[in-house]
Amino acid sequence: NAGVTQTPKFRVLKTGQSMTLLCAQDMNHEYMYWYRQDPGMGLRLIHYSVGEGTTAKGEVPDGYNVSRLKKQNFLLGLESAAPSQTSVYFCASRDAGEGSNQPQHFGDGTRLSIL
Amino acid sequence: GIQVEQSPPDLILQEGANSTLRCNFSDSVNNLQWFHQNPWGQLINLFYIPSGTKQNGRLSATTVATERYSLLYISSSQTTDSGVYFCAGWYNTDKLIFGTGTRLQVFP
Repeated sequence: NAGVTQTPKFRVLKTGQSMTLLCAQDMNHEYMYWYRQDPGMGLRLIHYSVGEGTTAKGEVPDGYNVSRLKKQNFLLGLESAAPSQTSVYFCASRDAGEGSNQPQHFGDGTRLSIL
Repeated sequence: GIQVEQSPPDLILQEGANSTLRCNFSDSVNNLQWFHQNPWGQLINLFYIPSGTKQNGRLSATTVATERYSLLYISSSQTTDSGVYFCAGWYNTDKLIFGTGTRLQVFP
């Protein structure tokens, strides 16, 4: 049982390049999330999904797109990378449950640098 | 507004000392969680604590929801406790809002 797996773990991009970060969970969780963590700060929600085929905007969605074509996968895309998107990206998942009483499970993060 | 505030921002302890970390949260946020981010960046669930008190080994947490705060207690601290401790609360049942964290350094 791997939990939440993020790919890749590290990546360096040039400004204007595009890339996709992959998050995979094997816990059959309904909800999945993408966060970014900048130095000295907590995590900020980029986009999230409450089920297969659904996505919604979080606190800082600009410059990112997401897709949830399969329940176990949640993809985060950067169409035209900018230096301001240099950050550590975390994916998380949780079961639906009643209200918000299900703890989140996090991946180990993807460290992304935009030059 | 939506607020999750933590104090202190930084904490330095000698091994064996006890500490208390505080999290204040606004009316729109509920169902607090505590996380530990270790020096390698991994986020680890500590407690899901909407109210009341829970204990896990040397760590315990108390949330007083009516007064909008939660406390994390670390007793007999060890160097492996170092890292950043985050509290986070749920907004609208589907968004987890994080505080800015308390950075803990435990020295031998």
